[in-house]
Amino acid sequence: EIVLTQSPGTLSLSPGERATLSCRASQSVSSSYLAWYQQKPGQAPRLLIYGASSRATGIPDRFSGSGSGTDFTLTISRLEPEDFAVYYCQQYGSSPSTFGQGTKLEIK
Amino acid sequence: QVQLVQSGAEVKKPGASVKVSCKASGYTFTSYGISWVRQAPGQGLEWMGWISAYNGNTNYAQKLQGRVTMTTDTSTSTAYMELRSLRSDDTAVYYCARDLVVYAMEADAFDIWGQGTMVTVSS
Repeated sequence: EIVLTQSPGTLSLSPGERATLSCRASQSVSSSYLAWYQQKPGQAPRLLIYGASSRATGIPDRFSGSGSGTDFTLTISRLEPEDFAVYYCQQYGSSPSTFGQGTKLEIK
Repeated sequence: QVQLVQSGAEVKKPGASVKVSCKASGYTFTSYGISWVRQAPGQGLEWMGWISAYNGNTNYAQKLQGRVTMTTDTSTSTAYMELRSLRSDDTAVYYCARDLVVYAMEADAFDIWGQGTMVTVSS
């Protein structure tokens, strides 16, 4: 199975700053089938990005995804207070689908 | 609106079984697959398996093979996940989640999630 490793484990930033989250796969992700989710405490995950770079419906354009092969990035251009949460990447190009361990984005 | 509504919290003893339901509304149930994802307390997300609501095809995570069964009832637009021989490390919030694309052949990205069902396994 494809192992996804997210870094950093915790990212401490201030509102208005730029956030860059990384997701590295143990082998190439087929057809860039890579998604990003945001999860807040007590809530279900929310889809942000699919296909490595396509924003899901209703997602603000400050969220962007990039990458291919084994290296993927989620960028939040200017952090809003509501963006502080845990972020997970998921690959769905190979079975079994797998998730990264998460990056916690916290207020500095 | 499109939504998935799951059954309520469960407390089970080790060795027992649990069956969680996930009722869909606001879309054509048979056009999308459903995955089940679980999250142990304070931990990350774990994909458990997928079922096509179109033809009933399933794909389970290898570690759960033999203990998990996913089914659908198209007459009520409901998906079910049954987990048997429960252990303490099965304690988690269990989510159902809908495939992003119609008629996916396997698990996809997930655009709609249920609210989660807490399953506690304790003697």
